[in-house]
Amino acid sequence: AQKITQTQPGMFVQEKEAVTLDCTYDTSDPSYGLFWYKQPSSGEMIFLIYQGSYDQQNATEGRYSLNFQKARKSANLVISASQLGDSAMYFCAMRETDGTASKLTFGTGTRLQVTL
Amino acid sequence: DAGVIQSPRHEVTEMGQEVTLRCKPISGHDYLFWYRQTMMRGLELLIYFNNNVPIDDSGMPEDRFSAKMPNASFSTLKIQPSEPRDSAVYFCASSLSTSGGETQYFGPGTRLLVL
Repeated sequence: AQKITQTQPGMFVQEKEAVTLDCTYDTSDPSYGLFWYKQPSSGEMIFLIYQGSYDQQNATEGRYSLNFQKARKSANLVISASQLGDSAMYFCAMRETDGTASKLTFGTGTRLQVTL
Repeated sequence: DAGVIQSPRHEVTEMGQEVTLRCKPISGHDYLFWYRQTMMRGLELLIYFNNNVPIDDSGMPEDRFSAKMPNASFSTLKIQPSEPRDSAVYFCASSLSTSGGETQYFGPGTRLLVL
């Protein structure tokens, strides 16, 4: 079974609008972390935002916020006031602790295109 | 502070040749990760080190792949012999720890093409 599922291969949003990128996860570990990364066409992976499984409030970082619904095992990324520079691939990732190992597992990504 | 440094940025080689990818992590980071990204398989963790010691190499595809970390500021990923299916972008990442909100910082990647 997929540990991280991103069901939207591609999304379009108009400039200045908000957009939600979906991410669902599967884990039996009570302690885990969820991350979102951005990968522009230049190829680098850029960390955006983090949500811990025990965090009571949804994480926010500037125009990025994470809609964390623990019971539904979803961690959707919300980008407000989209800009042309937001066009990129977006990856959701989860960190679980498996014994002494603590690894990131990535979803397949969503390609976001911001239009005028 | 400089980020994660990888070299070369691009590598084109012929099948059967040895390929060595290099990584310099962020100073002070105790963890170093090697990932491979392909269209078919997405982003996969190959191996990671803690304090220069390999912790988990379960993602290394086969014996043709090997990774070393001789000191805290340098790691290599070697493919010998290389095959066309090894064509991918290889990322190195480092982090202070693997707990809480401590994120991994990625290098720019090495784009490998095996002909």
